Amino acid sequence: ILNVEQSPQSLHVQEGDSTNFTCSFPSSNFYALHWYRWETAKSPEALFVMTLNGDEKKKGRISATLNTKEGYSYLYIKGSQPEDSATYLCAFPVTGNQFYFGTGTSLTVIP
Amino acid sequence: NAGVTQTPKFQVLKTGQSMTLQCAQDMNHEYMSWYRQDPGMGLRLIHYSVGAGITDQGEVPNGYNVSRSTTEDFPLRLLSAAPSQTSVYFCASSYGAGGIQETQYFGPGTRLLVL
Repeated sequence: ILNVEQSPQSLHVQEGDSTNFTCSFPSSNFYALHWYRWETAKSPEALFVMTLNGDEKKKGRISATLNTKEGYSYLYIKGSQPEDSATYLCAFPVTGNQFYFGTGTSLTVIP
Repeated sequence: NAGVTQTPKFQVLKTGQSMTLQCAQDMNHEYMSWYRQDPGMGLRLIHYSVGAGITDQGEVPNGYNVSRSTTEDFPLRLLSAAPSQTSVYFCASSYGAGGIQETQYFGPGTRLLVL
């Protein structure tokens, strides 16, 4: 069993605030790191697949960075909006196409 | 494209009953997988397949069987349901047999209650 940790577990921010959260993973045998967005009563949707140390990816107001040497990735949301309210998951794949998911960070954006 | 579809959406079983959760995708994806999601835990991989005729176990395979006779379908079988199998089940697929760097597309989930 492999440990993928996300922090914080939950977060409440005001509309317009910027926020960030962390995914920690084993730094050895790195292949990729996936971020997903999961809205209540829906299924997870892919945000980013990050593969290289120092990677920085952006989609609108959401961006992510990757540090494979120290085993963490940050997800940033700039100017949070109520529609950003969701659980954000990270997933760490290992040899043999097995994915280990973190428990997620639940974000609530208060109007 | 319908994407990844799952049936049923919700099912109640009695302990010891068997059932099959259906999963289908129309994107010609080689890689398909089944996860279960329980409160306070992340998605946990049950079984996965890198192509028709090829399946392998994930993190929590006990009590579940799978087969992959076609590229499109990846059913999950519960042979003798137990209350510990009460969960929400998600099927996912991704392009290519090497799924590690490919985005996974998830189905809508099947909520299973075992009494």
